[in-house]
Amino acid sequence: KAGVTQTPRYLIKTRGQQVTLSCSPISGHRSVSWYQQTPGQGLQFLFEYFSETQRNKGNFPGRFSGRQFSNSRSEMNVSTLELGDSALYLCASSLAVLGYSGDTEAFFGQGTRLTVV
Amino acid sequence: GDSVTQMEGPVTLSEEAFLTINCTYTATGYPSLFWYVQYPGEGLQLLLKATKADDKGSNKGFEATYRKETTSFHLEKGSVQVSDSAVYFCAPGGSASKIIFGSGTRLSIRP
Repeated sequence: KAGVTQTPRYLIKTRGQQVTLSCSPISGHRSVSWYQQTPGQGLQFLFEYFSETQRNKGNFPGRFSGRQFSNSRSEMNVSTLELGDSALYLCASSLAVLGYSGDTEAFFGQGTRLTVV
Repeated sequence: GDSVTQMEGPVTLSEEAFLTINCTYTATGYPSLFWYVQYPGEGLQLLLKATKADDKGSNKGFEATYRKETTSFHLEKGSVQVSDSAVYFCAPGGSASKIIFGSGTRLSIRP
């Protein structure tokens, strides 16, 4: 069974540009969550999608957005990039919405490392 | 709101030493508890979990017991190896609208 696939693995963008990251969940998983990981802030929750609907959202500015397609694949977009957006962006898939089912396990991809210059 | 506090790192140990990484949490109800591990250059992967009070999760020699009375889920291993060098995240789940991850504890094992 294939794991969670994130593309691209590495990305370099210029301040002010926008970027789109992609996540393909494990087959059969309908929930996709996104996290930002930085050395200073640790792992911070961005948002979660289930069946094409955003179910939960973290405390990030509106420049961060996402969507989920009917095949459960998800994309995350960041507009007007800032230097502080440089981070490892992790995607996780699960069978159910995280938090609604007490023992739902999240399966993570390897992440996309975004560098903003 | 829900939160988790775990031991700050980095933690450096010699091979075969005993490991404890402390984790305490606050949450509504009785969430399932998870430990995730992140090896260099990788995403997170589930190490072990416990779904109810007094449950013990175990995997790869690591253990953690769900202590409801102290709201803790400390990670332990009797004899660490160099290959255990990684970042470890404690994560209570289920009680809130999302899994809350701790700040992570970087573990380095010296040969």
